[in-house]
Amino acid sequence: SQQGEEDPQALSIQEGENATMNCSYKTSINNLQWYRQNSGRGLVHLILIRSNEREKHSGRLRVTLDTSKKSSSLLITASRAADTASYFCATDGSGGSYIPTFGRGTSLIVHP
Amino acid sequence: SQTIHQWPATLVQPVGSPLSLECTVEGTSNPNLYWYRQAAGRGLQLLFYSVGIGQISSEVPQNLSASRPQDRQFILSSKKLLLSDSGFYLCAWRVLSSYNEQFFGPGTRLTVL
Repeated sequence: SQQGEEDPQALSIQEGENATMNCSYKTSINNLQWYRQNSGRGLVHLILIRSNEREKHSGRLRVTLDTSKKSSSLLITASRAADTASYFCATDGSGGSYIPTFGRGTSLIVHP
Repeated sequence: SQTIHQWPATLVQPVGSPLSLECTVEGTSNPNLYWYRQAAGRGLQLLFYSVGIGQISSEVPQNLSASRPQDRQFILSSKKLLLSDSGFYLCAWRVLSSYNEQFFGPGTRLTVL
């Protein structure tokens, strides 16, 4: 089964609003990565957060990690139409295999 | 800086024909390399990964094979394509370091008719 599972599966918001996506996983991890994928394109790496980190920022992106709850969230503030994409989380297990496991993604639509 | 190339970008092949997709990475050495497949509207399924030249690990038994003839070259192949091989194929690389980020190529859209 998928290690990372994003929630919600789909999210529709207006430009300027904040978008929050969540990722849950089942086993202990070394790190967790968030990606964006525009339709028909490759994945763009957004942020990697290590298991000993609780929060990271990059521009309008904020990622949190709660290892006690085995969950992470991606917050996009002041969303833009260009943020419309699918967002995936990927986890590296703590066993050191460096084989990320991906969830099915959250489809975000930002209406202008 | 590092870049990753995949070609072709799109491919339409008849059932039973062979396949060869190529991925090359520039600007890094001894990367881990990965092939993923993504069905429409779905997540990524890991097909193969490689930690070095000639070292291939298969995650899912299937009609495909992979080879790594050079440090920064990863090839996905099939002798006879099936309809179910259609999908979006993504190559990725990562260099094990303090952050271990994984980066993806632009992908190849394969349609088997």
